[in-house]
Amino acid sequence: AQKITQTQPGMFVQEKEAVTLDCTYDTSDQSYGLFWYKQPSSGEMIFLIYQGSYDEQNATEGRYSLNFQKARKSANLVISASQLGDSAMYFCAMSFSFGNEKLTFGTGTRLTIIP
Amino acid sequence: DTGVSQDPRHKITKRGQNVTFRCDPISEHNRLYWYRQTLGQGPEFLTYFQNEAQLEKSRLLSDRFSAERPKGSFSTLEIQRTEQGDSAMYLCASSLIRVGANYGYTFGSGTRLTVV
Repeated sequence: AQKITQTQPGMFVQEKEAVTLDCTYDTSDQSYGLFWYKQPSSGEMIFLIYQGSYDEQNATEGRYSLNFQKARKSANLVISASQLGDSAMYFCAMSFSFGNEKLTFGTGTRLTIIP
Repeated sequence: DTGVSQDPRHKITKRGQNVTFRCDPISEHNRLYWYRQTLGQGPEFLTYFQNEAQLEKSRLLSDRFSAERPKGSFSTLEIQRTEQGDSAMYLCASSLIRVGANYGYTFGSGTRLTVV
C-alpha cells in the first residue's frame, strides 16, 4: 500500500520569500511517480510538478522545484519568490508506475502568503 | 479544448434522494477518474475508466454508487439513497496514456454535494 504524509497543516510565509512544503511517502514499489497539486478555494486541482522514481535530477517547473531524496522517501516542494496568488491548499500525491494510474494523496498543507 | 467539465458545480439534496453527476473529459483523453474529497482531506480514489471499460473500483464505492462511461466519452456518477456521509466534493479527472509520460491528470472543478 502507498501512503503520503504531509506534516504541516498550515504555513504562513512573507511574500517574496521561498517556502518548502514537506512530503514523505511510503511504498514498497520501485517504480512510482510523485506529484504536487495546488487547490485554490475554487476547488480545482492544478498540477504543479512531477518526479519519477527513476529520475536522477530534481524536477523543476518555473518557480516550483521538487527536492527528491529517494533514500529518505522525501519529496518536498520548494516555491521560490512566493506570490500572493500562491495562497492555496497544496497536496502531495503518488501513483504506481509513471502516472496515469490512481493517485494517493496526502492531507495537504494550507499555504498563506502574507503581503 | 476547455478542460474537464463537471456538472453541476453544487448540489443540495435531501437524504434518501438519488443524485447524478456528469463529467466531460478532455476529448482526446482515454482515461477518466473519479475522486471524492471530504473537508480537510485529500482526494480519495473511487474508480477509473479506460475508454468505456471500468477498470478499478475502490472499496469506498459502495453498492449505492455506480459510475458509467458509455462510448468512452462523458461519465456519470450516480449515488442512490444518499446519506449525510456522502456530503463531499466529487472530482473528475482525465488523462491520456503515454508510456513513460510524466503528466499529472487534468482535474475538473468538482461537484460539491451537500446531503441535508
